[in-house]
Amino acid sequence: NAGVTQTPKFQVLKTGQSMTLQCAQDMNHEYMSWYRQDPGMGLRLIHYSVGAGITDQGEVPNGYNVSRSTTEDFPLRLLSAAPSQTSVYFCASSYHHRLGGGTDTQYFGPGTRLTVL
Amino acid sequence: GENVEQHPSTLSVQEGDSAVIKCTYSDSASNYFPWYKQELGKRPQLIIDIRSNVGEKKDQRIAVTLNKTAKHFSLHITETQPEDSAVYFCAASILAGGSYIPTFGRGTSLIVHP
Repeated sequence: NAGVTQTPKFQVLKTGQSMTLQCAQDMNHEYMSWYRQDPGMGLRLIHYSVGAGITDQGEVPNGYNVSRSTTEDFPLRLLSAAPSQTSVYFCASSYHHRLGGGTDTQYFGPGTRLTVL
Repeated sequence: GENVEQHPSTLSVQEGDSAVIKCTYSDSASNYFPWYKQELGKRPQLIIDIRSNVGEKKDQRIAVTLNKTAKHFSLHITETQPEDSAVYFCAASILAGGSYIPTFGRGTSLIVHP
């Protein structure tokens, strides 16, 4: 099991450029999400998905798009990068909650460090 | 939406001392409270969690307590060691769409001095 993988590890963009951050998991998790981590701000939820074909906005969705066409993949698209989007981005996944047992642990990917100039 | 406050933002202790990190939450619908540890340059990893029907849970040197009435929960680390140095995040989670959606605190940087 590779767990949760993210590519690229590092990326530098110019203002106005677009790009897609990739996230994949091989644990058959229903739930996937994207966070951004900024110093002193904790982990803030951008978008999440409870299953293929279903996505919803989190706390800070502006400037980002997502789609979930398969259980395994959950890409995050920056439409027109801005310096305010300079951050470390984490993808995470977990199982649906199972009554009477099972883990609700969120498994995080290794992160993507994005700089927008 | 849910709001999670975490204190302190930085905690410095001597090796062998105890460390306590406190969190409060606002939404009474939250019923799952995980704690994550993030070492420098690494991803967050779950260290312990507690559910709303439990008041306390312990795992070796770490323990978590929950007071649902007051809407606060705490992480306790005893006999701290240098390898405990990291950023710790609490989260309050609401069950939605069949999955827990966590809201994280801003983190506590724990420094354990040898």
